[in-house]
Amino acid sequence: GDSVTQMEGPVTLSEEAFLTINCTYTATGYPSLFWYVQYPGEGLQLLLKATKADDKGSNKGFEATYRKETTSFHLEKGSVQVSDSAVYFCALSDLNTGTASKLTFGTGTRLQVTL
Amino acid sequence: KAGVTQTPRYLIKTRGQQVTLSCSPISGHRSVSWYQQTPGQGLQFLFEYFSETQRNKGNFPGRFSGRQFSNSRSEMNVSTLELGDSALYLCASSSAQGIVTQYFGPGTRLTVL
Repeated sequence: GDSVTQMEGPVTLSEEAFLTINCTYTATGYPSLFWYVQYPGEGLQLLLKATKADDKGSNKGFEATYRKETTSFHLEKGSVQVSDSAVYFCALSDLNTGTASKLTFGTGTRLQVTL
Repeated sequence: KAGVTQTPRYLIKTRGQQVTLSCSPISGHRSVSWYQQTPGQGLQFLFEYFSETQRNKGNFPGRFSGRQFSNSRSEMNVSTLELGDSALYLCASSSAQGIVTQYFGPGTRLTVL
């Protein structure tokens, strides 16, 4: 079945540091890929998405590129801020298996940014 | 547009009781999905409703059920609550079949004592 693997956290960075959170996936079809962010006490917010190979999703300085050859969707940001501290989830949905409505999530990576 | 709303935001129940959670999707969205989030199991898919029909179901016992109304609002019911049902229950909506972007509500935090 489908699965998503994320790097273990927490990731602790100083403000203005470069961020990478690794995400790899296993899927039987051709999934769409997502990054969601969860701030303390809140639900999930869609951060960015990519629906086909080589697509780059971007939002609020965050970027991720859909790499089919390495089955990866790593999240990057050039300069993090304290306000980016949150838990980040990589997820996929697989339209080709008829389960586009079901998101499969990774375990989440907690990011802590300090001054 | 208003986002996905969930009520109540917090709930405390005791073992053996039942509970109903409510979700109102973004206006115009016809698909509503439910997820359970726990520290141990992470985010797990419960089920999805589209046009009042359950279209997809995750691996949860029959104590977990749901329904969707003609205005796309959805409810989730858990009967005979167990301690392990304590979780954040998240609802997500999307606009149509095959459109994969889901937008989440703030969740309902259920505590079972």
